[in-house]
Amino acid sequence: DAGITQSPRYKITETGRQVTLMCHQTWSHSYMFWYRQDLGHGLRLIYYSAAADITDKGEVPDGYVVSRSKTENFPLTLESATRSQTSVYFCASSGLGTSGRAAYEQYFGPGTRLTVT
Amino acid sequence: GENVEQHPSTLSVQEGDSAVIKCTYSDSASNYFPWYKQELGKRPQLIIDIRSNVGEKKDQRIAVTLNKTAKHFSLHITETQPEDSAVYFCAASDSNQAGTALIFGKGTTLSVSS
Repeated sequence: DAGITQSPRYKITETGRQVTLMCHQTWSHSYMFWYRQDLGHGLRLIYYSAAADITDKGEVPDGYVVSRSKTENFPLTLESATRSQTSVYFCASSGLGTSGRAAYEQYFGPGTRLTVT
Repeated sequence: GENVEQHPSTLSVQEGDSAVIKCTYSDSASNYFPWYKQELGKRPQLIIDIRSNVGEKKDQRIAVTLNKTAKHFSLHITETQPEDSAVYFCAASDSNQAGTALIFGKGTTLSVSS
């Protein structure tokens, strides 16, 4: 849905570089999530946020940093990229807002395919 | 914490046949069970979900059933079509806790041949 977008869609970076993946939603959802998707592992939660300035770790947070200064944005930063962070990253959101959907339903952005060389 | 197991990992059916994908969960507090369909290179799309106060839910050719006692839920697709070919993920969460993250199964790759 156009309500949640991610950028860039594709990114190649080198080991040790810092890279930031952006997520933006227009539904005024309170909750936002970052997942990574790898073959054989499905979707695993990295970090999530209940509101601006409130974030918490998920299942695989090591090597990642998040911030949420505005409700609509939830950037994910890899401080020093490693090859093991090569993955597809999905942002999702949920909550009461303007999407017209139930608060507990999560909707995903289009994903960012990150390759670390 | 919650753990979701999904079976089978791959499923091949002929067009027109039915397909069933099964998931089990471990946390009795989980009460929301969505199913997502993901086509190649696309985002996961919510196709149907069920809450624990309901035993079955249908939407055209797809249905989901839930057995709370046994802690398992299933996705049923009838009259399969080639466009049903995709990866399907089940998930679980406690929707009473606002913003609880989904715990996903590892996915089932469904192939429908014509």
